Amino acid sequence: RKEVEQDPGPFNVPEGATVAFNCTYSNSASQSFFWYRQDCRKEPKLLMSVYSSGNEDGRFTAQLNRASQYISLLIRDSKLSDSATYLCVVNPMDSNYQLIWGAGTKLIIKP
Amino acid sequence: NAGVMQNPRHLVRRRGQEARLRCSPMKGHSHVYWYRQLPEEGLKFMVYLQKENIIDESGMPKERFSAEFPKEGPSILRIQQVVRGDSAAYFCASSPRLAGDNEQYFGPGTRLTVT
Repeated sequence: RKEVEQDPGPFNVPEGATVAFNCTYSNSASQSFFWYRQDCRKEPKLLMSVYSSGNEDGRFTAQLNRASQYISLLIRDSKLSDSATYLCVVNPMDSNYQLIWGAGTKLIIKP
Repeated sequence: NAGVMQNPRHLVRRRGQEARLRCSPMKGHSHVYWYRQLPEEGLKFMVYLQKENIIDESGMPKERFSAEFPKEGPSILRIQQVVRGDSAAYFCASSPRLAGDNEQYFGPGTRLTVT
């Protein structure tokens, strides 16, 4: 089992729709979680951290479910510019820098 | 304040040649991290360096790969006798101190193609 697993997609979603995807992690002791966005052939960029209580940033909402060991990302009112690959990243407690990266979920927003 | 710089952005090498990838961290950053991303996969940690020191190279293949971060100049990831399986995007990130979580700033990457 991979340490961090994501549905590779692609998710094809019409503009304006709401889309959500999950990421599961295997290490129950993991302490912190993030969503990164990566555009085609570009470097990953931090989208948002995921807090235990859940957090929202504009159209984006992230949730953490420790009992089931998954995090989720919800995008409301999707825009064409949201098309990208979304990478789930987990920080195991025994390292400050060896982040564990998922392979990403590809999202395509269609007009 | 320039971001993390990597060069070259694209590198083509024939099997058996050497590849040298350079990373200049952000100004004031003394910690550098190298990652490799194979097609359709997530980033994989390779090595963490501070100036003149390799702190953790547990993600580096034991052979053919080496990294350095000299007192002056960029960090260099060196791959000797490249093979087709080395074709990947190599990203460098830097941080001003030991990175917690989101404090790593990524460069644009070097795409290595081995023919």
